[in-house]
Amino acid sequence: KAGVTQTPRYLIKTRGQQVTLSCSPISGHRSVSWYQQTPGQGLQFLFEYFSETQRNKGNFPGRFSGRQFSNSRSEMNVSTLELGDSALYLCASSLKGSPVTQETQYFGPGTRLLVL
Amino acid sequence: GENVEQHPSTLSVQEGDSAVIKCTYSDSASNYFPWYKQELGKGPQLIIDIRSNVGEKKDQRIAVTLNKTAKHFSLHITETQPEDSAVYFCAASIPGAQKLVFGQGTRLTINP
Repeated sequence: KAGVTQTPRYLIKTRGQQVTLSCSPISGHRSVSWYQQTPGQGLQFLFEYFSETQRNKGNFPGRFSGRQFSNSRSEMNVSTLELGDSALYLCASSLKGSPVTQETQYFGPGTRLLVL
Repeated sequence: GENVEQHPSTLSVQEGDSAVIKCTYSDSASNYFPWYKQELGKGPQLIIDIRSNVGEKKDQRIAVTLNKTAKHFSLHITETQPEDSAVYFCAASIPGAQKLVFGQGTRLTINP
């Protein structure tokens, strides 16, 4: 079974631009979570989607948004990019995303975003 | 609040020796504790996890222990090999949400 895939793998943008990142979960997985990884802050939770609905959100400004499609693929968007948005953006999928049983999350390779 | 502290931040051991990484979490309701290994240029890969109803879990050279009273959990790697060199992250679940809070990571280097 193929793992979590993310596109693009690398991206360079300038301040003020916007960017859209894509994530395809493992086949059959319906929960998709996004994390931001930086050297200073580590891995931080952005949001989680299940059945096209955002169920949980982390402490990030409204410039960070996402969505999920009916095939469980997910996109995240960052508008009005700032230098501090430079990071590795990771997507993780799980089967049902049950908050009760806490299923294993499987991570993709990430998209490395550089904002100049 | 939601917080996971991980120590040490860097760890260097001789090949064949053991390595131990420790984490402390703040939310007593957390019930799931995974450990991830991240190699350069890759996303985190799950290596072992433990749930709150058990105190220890082992998978070949890797073991994890959990002390719920003290809110501590630890990763133990025995007979370390060069391919164990990577950054290791611990995490704790947030009750009521499919969400993990991660420690800051430990860069483990195995010296041949």
